[in-house]
Amino acid sequence: QKEVEQNSGPLSVPEGAIASLNCTYSDRGSQSFFWYRQYSGKSPELIMFIYSNGDKEDGRFTAQLNKASQYVSLLIRDSQPSDSATYLCAVGALRGTDKLIFGTGTRLQVFP
Amino acid sequence: DAGVIQSPRHEVTEMGQEVTLRCKPISGHNSLFWYRQTMMRGLELLIYFNNNVPIDDSGMPEDRFSAKMPNASFSTLKIQPSEPRDSAVYFCASLGYGRTEAFFGQGTRLTVV
Repeated sequence: QKEVEQNSGPLSVPEGAIASLNCTYSDRGSQSFFWYRQYSGKSPELIMFIYSNGDKEDGRFTAQLNKASQYVSLLIRDSQPSDSATYLCAVGALRGTDKLIFGTGTRLQVFP
Repeated sequence: DAGVIQSPRHEVTEMGQEVTLRCKPISGHNSLFWYRQTMMRGLELLIYFNNNVPIDDSGMPEDRFSAKMPNASFSTLKIQPSEPRDSAVYFCASLGYGRTEAFFGQGTRLTVV
């Protein structure tokens, strides 16, 4: 079992719809959770992070964390074609370390 | 700040040759990471340093790979000898103390023929 798993996609949604991206992780001791966006040929950039169970909202983005189910999700409201990218879920392996483990990413396509 | 700077941006080399990738982290950042990205395996952590000291190198694939961080402003990742399966994009990222966001460099696309 991979440490961080994501559906590779592509996930196709129409412009204006809600895109839902999911991620599961295997290490119950994980303390921090991140969503990175990566455009084709570019480097990853941080969108959101979440540490506690529940929802965290930032603009059109909402991160959801359920530690009991070892599940993290990212919702993108009012999806735009410019949101088309690969979304990487990353998990902080242990408290007190900076080690981040990434999933393989989900490719999102938003069509007009 | 110019961000994390990696060089070269592209490298094409023949199998068996030595390859050295370079990284200059953001000034003041105390953690540095080397990642490798392929379509099949995604973004894999190879090694990370904290205050110039290697903390976890469990992701380094084999003895052909080595990494150094002689000072806070420079790190290298060396592959000797290189093999075609090493072809990938290699990213360097840095993180400031107590901060959340790790910043990535633009990556080095390595092709071993």
